[in-house]
Amino acid sequence: EAQVTQNPRYLITVTGKKLTVTCSQNMNHEYMSWYRQDPGLGLRQIYYSMNVEVTDKGDVPEGYKVSRKEKRNFPLILESPSPNQTSLYFCASSSQGRRETQYFGPGTRLLVL
Amino acid sequence: SQQGEEDPQALSIQEGENATMNCSYKTSINNLQWYRQNSGRGLVHLILIRSNEREKHSGRLRVTLDTSKKSSSLLITASRAADTASYFCATDGPIIQGAQKLVFGQGTRLTINP
Repeated sequence: EAQVTQNPRYLITVTGKKLTVTCSQNMNHEYMSWYRQDPGLGLRQIYYSMNVEVTDKGDVPEGYKVSRKEKRNFPLILESPSPNQTSLYFCASSSQGRRETQYFGPGTRLLVL
Repeated sequence: SQQGEEDPQALSIQEGENATMNCSYKTSINNLQWYRQNSGRGLVHLILIRSNEREKHSGRLRVTLDTSKKSSSLLITASRAADTASYFCATDGPIIQGAQKLVFGQGTRLTINP
């Protein structure tokens, strides 16, 4: 089944404790991206990747890192999480970049205390 | 600031009625996409309309695009309880300094009452 998976689905952590949220897709898509969703603010793009080893900032990249060492994986790293990063995070992928259909993962709900 | 902005923010109608949501954007686009999100879940792609298209249909969905007004509308006909969800538009905007972002609006929360 074609899908985007994220892990973990739920995470409670404390300020400053490094964490990684994994994202994997099995559709051989080149374009992958991370979004955060907050009430009243909709979805905002954090980072995106056009292909392996090619990443770029979205609208809200501060406090986040990403890597794209393999085509299928696009982890989101929070080196020193803060409470304002409490949010619902989504990973998405697409076969032909931002202009075509995005396939979303199920989301990761993060709470930073 | 958000490229796409949906209107209204919330809409509540009776089952069987039609629901119309609007999306406005600020810069030129190539494509505009509509997505649905059931509470707390991942977004699901509904329909994509290209800048040279004016109208597109998919089942009970009808999307229009007016590039002169920089706006799009999503019409859901004969609504059902299962249509209760949030609906988002997404636009691809121009490439600025090499950046190829996809920008989502804040969404319209649609409630279908039985």
